[in-house]
Amino acid sequence: EIVLTQSPGTLSLSPGERATLSCRASQSVSSSYLAWYQHKPGQAPRPLIYGASSRATGIPDRFSGSGSGTDFTLTISRLEPEDFAVYYCQLFGTSWYTFGQGTKLEIK
Amino acid sequence: EVQLLESGGGLVQPGGSLRLSCVASEFTFSNYAMSWVRQAPGKGLEWVSGIGGSGGSTFYADSVKGRFTISRDNSKNTLYLQMNSLRAEDTAVYYCARRDSYYRAFDYWGQGTLVTVSS
Repeated sequence: EIVLTQSPGTLSLSPGERATLSCRASQSVSSSYLAWYQHKPGQAPRPLIYGASSRATGIPDRFSGSGSGTDFTLTISRLEPEDFAVYYCQLFGTSWYTFGQGTKLEIK
Repeated sequence: EVQLLESGGGLVQPGGSLRLSCVASEFTFSNYAMSWVRQAPGKGLEWVSGIGGSGGSTFYADSVKGRFTISRDNSKNTLYLQMNSLRAEDTAVYYCARRDSYYRAFDYWGQGTLVTVSS
């Protein structure tokens, strides 16, 4: 079973700063099936990135994804107040899905 | 616009049963695989179960295998999750989600329905 480990657990930054979130897989995976989501309390999760690097519809270009093999990164170039949330990476396997444990992005 | 609306959550005693529903609109429901994803209080997202567009293939997380059953009625544009032998650890907000055909990620989510398992 592939495990996704996200780091850091919590990231404290200020608006305008750059955020770098990491997602590491326990073995090499296909980047085609690596996604990132943003989740705010009381709301549905919002897809951000598909296939490790393709932005979902309507996602601003300050969000970008990269990586391959076992290491993937979500970067937010300049934080806006509405970006503070929990972020999850997710992997699709043969017949199952797994999520990372999440990174909480909080206002410093 | 694509919409997914869950219902059926509530308070149930340990060992009890509950059936969740998710009504889909504004897309051809039978063309898409669907899943249930949950979030327990203070925890992260956990995939629970998935089903193919025709309903012929189903998949489950180990934590619910043998207790939960996913199904769909394409004539009613509705996804179901039958939950039996419920445990306290099944307490969570349950989301239904549509799977994108190409990337196999979840491109649309419902707002969720809360299931509380407690005596």
